[in-house]
Amino acid sequence: QVQLVQSGAEMKRPGASVKVSCKASGYTFNTYDINWVRQAPGQGLEWMGWMNPNNGNTRFAQKFKGRVTMTRDISISTAYMELSSLTSADTALYYCARGGFHHDSSGYSNLVGWFDPWGQGTLVTVSS
Amino acid sequence: EIVLTQSPGTLSLSPGETVTLSCRASQSVASSFLAWYQQNPGQAPRLLIYGASTRATGIPDRFSGGGSGTDFTLTINRLEPGDFAVYYCQHYDGSRPTFGGGTKLKIK
Repeated sequence: QVQLVQSGAEMKRPGASVKVSCKASGYTFNTYDINWVRQAPGQGLEWMGWMNPNNGNTRFAQKFKGRVTMTRDISISTAYMELSSLTSADTALYYCARGGFHHDSSGYSNLVGWFDPWGQGTLVTVSS
Repeated sequence: EIVLTQSPGTLSLSPGETVTLSCRASQSVASSFLAWYQQNPGQAPRLLIYGASTRATGIPDRFSGGGSGTDFTLTINRLEPGDFAVYYCQHYDGSRPTFGGGTKLKIK
């Protein structure tokens, strides 16, 4: 079945960076965008950005521009999200989710306006 | 930027009851770009409804979505214990995905 499996929990000091991985299985990795969404403790869902695994193109929420990088390794069907200059406000669960755009082999991209499935989440704790 | 407002923030109901959750957009949106998710405690969100009214694979028909324009609803019939969770609506038309603030269903 289609599945996204994320890397384990991380604990970081303020000012550090964190890199979270998201391994896809059950479908052709480069045919769907990977989105990253975070959820602070007790709070709602906040979209961070998406990456097109086909060409590496990215788009980020304004709030994270300059601090977030999204990359991929197609050979192992894995997407990565790296967030730098961490503060305590970045303590959250970070989710990857498949969706946004579907890209077919002819180069045509079709909007799939929902996210399914989601990874299990990676807890990032920022504390001194 | 489209803002999604969900109401109420919290609802207390009993198993077996029926509930309708609301999601209001700050401007008219295409129904095809409106989705609903369920998030149980300690779990990732799960897609319930996409295109405003189409159930995702494996979602029971107790869940139904409707609405258009600026007002969308998620109705859950005959609430079961596993339905007491947080529900989020989401809009994504290809520009920037946005989520509503969520509605929490609690057991009365």
